[in-house]
Amino acid sequence: SQTIHQWPATLVQPVGSPLSLECTVEGTSNPNLYWYRQAAGRGLQLLFYSVGIGQISSEVPQNLSASRPQDRQFILSSKKLLLSDSGFYLCAWGERPLGEQFFGPGTRLTVL
Amino acid sequence: GENVEQHPSTLSVQEGDSAVIKCTYSDSASNYFPWYKQELGKRPQLIIDIRSNVGEKKDQRIAVTLNKTAKHFSLHITETQPEDSAVYFCAAGSNYQLIWGAGTKLIIKP
Repeated sequence: SQTIHQWPATLVQPVGSPLSLECTVEGTSNPNLYWYRQAAGRGLQLLFYSVGIGQISSEVPQNLSASRPQDRQFILSSKKLLLSDSGFYLCAWGERPLGEQFFGPGTRLTVL
Repeated sequence: GENVEQHPSTLSVQEGDSAVIKCTYSDSASNYFPWYKQELGKRPQLIIDIRSNVGEKKDQRIAVTLNKTAKHFSLHITETQPEDSAVYFCAAGSNYQLIWGAGTKLIIKP
């Protein structure tokens, strides 16, 4: 069966520090991968999606970047964190572009 | 840009009654409409979805209706139970991405 992992679960970082969040999927190949941010009490904002290795699409101009160095690995990065980057980050995968998405457990990021 | 509006933001119903959550979307090219449920402290999970060639879909106590002309779709939960308490998100999709609603917190009163 397929599983999705995210780490770390929680992270507290100072303003201006770098960020690297990792997401990996097991049990499937060539998944569509997504990074979302969920603000408290709000919906899901799509940050990036990827349909294949090295293929990244960004939906929102921001301080973040994403990379997909391997088929089942998706990384969210920042060179210098801002206070506004605080939030709950969810990685998800799906077998097809418009179909069920399976979410990871999320990373709660606090930027101080 | 494209957006999805979801109403109400909070819905409180008596156990056993029905609950209806409504969403409207702006992108007329949208052709996929899922609903996700997120329980407190857990990750969102798909509960039902509908594609644009269908007007209604049911799965036990849950149903979704779609009106493409009016660009709105709704989630209906009948005979609500305590375990239905959660935040529900709608989304509208075209091409590779989903645009999400802001969520509805559903409270089931005993």
